[in-house]
Amino acid sequence: AQTVTQSQPEMSVQEAETVTLSCTYDTSENNYYLFWYKQPPSRQMILVIRQEAYKQQNATENRFSVNFQKAAKSFSLKISDSQLGDTAMYFCAFTYNFNKFYFGSGTKLNVKP
Amino acid sequence: NAGVTQTPKFQVLKTGQSMTLQCAQDMNHEYMSWYRQDPGMGLRLIHYSVGAGITDQGEVPNGYNVSRSTTEDFPLRLLSAAPSQTSVYFCASSYSFTAYYEQYFGPGTRLTVT
Repeated sequence: AQTVTQSQPEMSVQEAETVTLSCTYDTSENNYYLFWYKQPPSRQMILVIRQEAYKQQNATENRFSVNFQKAAKSFSLKISDSQLGDTAMYFCAFTYNFNKFYFGSGTKLNVKP
Repeated sequence: NAGVTQTPKFQVLKTGQSMTLQCAQDMNHEYMSWYRQDPGMGLRLIHYSVGAGITDQGEVPNGYNVSRSTTEDFPLRLLSAAPSQTSVYFCASSYSFTAYYEQYFGPGTRLTVT
């Protein structure tokens, strides 16, 4: 069975500071993909960043980067220079096949001015 | 491209009523799926389809039916609504045979069953 766990239901960070959101997963698959999605109050799901398990290099997208530890099955998201617009729910997700995605329960991030 | 569209945006049903949530995409994606989002539980897969005429169950399929007669449309039917089906429903689609498996999500339907 595939599971994704986000152990931080809610986090806060001051504007311009850095915050790290945690995600762990469990799978017996060797090739898979990991994602972080952002869901602002508008409810729209927005892809933030993705990582292929076969790539050792951590993915980076502007202020967003991941720390992918395959052996530990850990996939954390680091947000640098936090902005008010980063306030949202963040979901970690995993897939290894066609269309079955597994999501964590989410972390609510509040960026304070 | 409109992307993934869902109708209605909001719906209130009485227990026992039936209804269909509509989902359409104009990106020629083969894969489409339905999720429900409940507080503290993230998104859970209800049903998915890998192409027209092919559907399969996800994690929480009970009480829901789907069909896929065209590539564009993937409606979700609630046969006899129950309060436990109060949730936000998301439709998503993606290409097949890509290196990224990125899903594109619709805006969601908030359903309340009284």
